[in-house]
Amino acid sequence: KAGVTQTPRYLIKTRGQQVTLSCSPISGHRSVSWYQQTPGQGLQFLFEYFSETQRNKGNFPGRFSGRQFSNSRSEMNVSTLELGDSALYLCASSEGQDNSPLHFGNGTRLTVT
Amino acid sequence: AQSVAQPEDQVNVAEGNPLTVKCTYSVSGNPYLFWYVQYPNRGLQFLLKYITGDNLVKGSYGFEAEFNKSQTSFHLKKPSALVSDSALYFCAVRPTAGNKLTFGGGTRVLVKP
Repeated sequence: KAGVTQTPRYLIKTRGQQVTLSCSPISGHRSVSWYQQTPGQGLQFLFEYFSETQRNKGNFPGRFSGRQFSNSRSEMNVSTLELGDSALYLCASSEGQDNSPLHFGNGTRLTVT
Repeated sequence: AQSVAQPEDQVNVAEGNPLTVKCTYSVSGNPYLFWYVQYPNRGLQFLLKYITGDNLVKGSYGFEAEFNKSQTSFHLKKPSALVSDSALYFCAVRPTAGNKLTFGGGTRVLVKP
């Protein structure tokens, strides 16, 4: 099976702009989670979607949003970018049970200047 | 609220020696516990998980982990470390009642030849 695919791999944006990141999960996986990884804060949970519904949400401002499509593909959007949004954004898919391991993509490296 | 602690930022070990990466957790109820590894510029890779049953869990690449309920620990071990095991290791916990997967801060492992 193909793994989790995230596009684009790298992004450079300017403060105030918005950005959309895309994630294609492993075939058959219905759950998609998003994480932000930074050197200072580590791995921070953004949100989880299951069958097009947001199932869990982390403690991020409303500028961070996501959605999941009927084919389980997911997108996350960040509006009004700030310098502090520079990070590696990781998407992970799973079968959706609580004991199911997450399978991660290689991430999108976002740099905000 | 659940939490995970990895008390060591870095572990140094000589090739061929045993490797241990420590993890303690706090969660209501019984936990699902996971270990992941991250290589540079890559996403996280699943190593192993504890659901229930035998306290010693065997995973990928010769790694194993021991669940200790009384000490709320889930330490990762490998009997004989390889240089290629040098990477960033993350412990994670998820309550069985559902909720997000919470990661520890990560431990960098450096295996010297």
